[in-house]
Amino acid sequence: QVQLEQSGAEVRRPGASVKVSCKASGYRFTEYAIHWVRQAPGQRPEWMGWINPGNGNTQYAQKFQGRVTTTADTSATVVYMALSSLTSEDTAVYYCLNLIVATPYWGQGTLVTVSS
Amino acid sequence: DIQMTQSPSTLSASVGDSVTISCRASQTITTWLAWYQQKPGTAPKVLISRASSLKTGVPSRFSGSGSGTEFTLTIRSLQPDDFATYYCQQYNSYPWTFGQGTKVEI
Repeated sequence: QVQLEQSGAEVRRPGASVKVSCKASGYRFTEYAIHWVRQAPGQRPEWMGWINPGNGNTQYAQKFQGRVTTTADTSATVVYMALSSLTSEDTAVYYCLNLIVATPYWGQGTLVTVSS
Repeated sequence: DIQMTQSPSTLSASVGDSVTISCRASQTITTWLAWYQQKPGTAPKVLISRASSLKTGVPSRFSGSGSGTEFTLTIRSLQPDDFATYYCQQYNSYPWTFGQGTKVEI
């Protein structure tokens, strides 16, 4: 079955960067894009962007352009999302997800806390 | 960006009730809509995709309908486990967007 397993919680200082991983299994890794969505405390989820692991193409929400980078390691079936210049407003749970046969599959989430 | 608006924001109900949550898109999304259930500290759980397709394993008391810009999620015979926050999400075009959520409470 489709599974997306994310890395553990992170704590960063303002101005730092964070990198979250998402290991995919149960499907052909290069055939489906992986998306990143974050959810700040008490807020609705917010889409950040996607990567096509098959060719490395990416697309990001305008809000995050210049600050987010996603990469894929096809041999390990892992996607990474790096976010730089962190502020307290980036404190959120970050999720990876994909869309297979029009059905979303989500990772369990990674809590990123930005605090001085 | 496509705006997703849910109503109501909060819904008070009792076990055994039938409830309906509405979701409106600011422009047509055909049937590219998912419904989620979320409980505190957990990832959103997919209930329905393509507006009306129940995900395997989700109880049949959940149903979705609609197309274009108007969608509904209905929960028949509400169970104690159903008290949670529900979100709609469009995946017709980027950026994907979510409704603000509907909290179903006792």
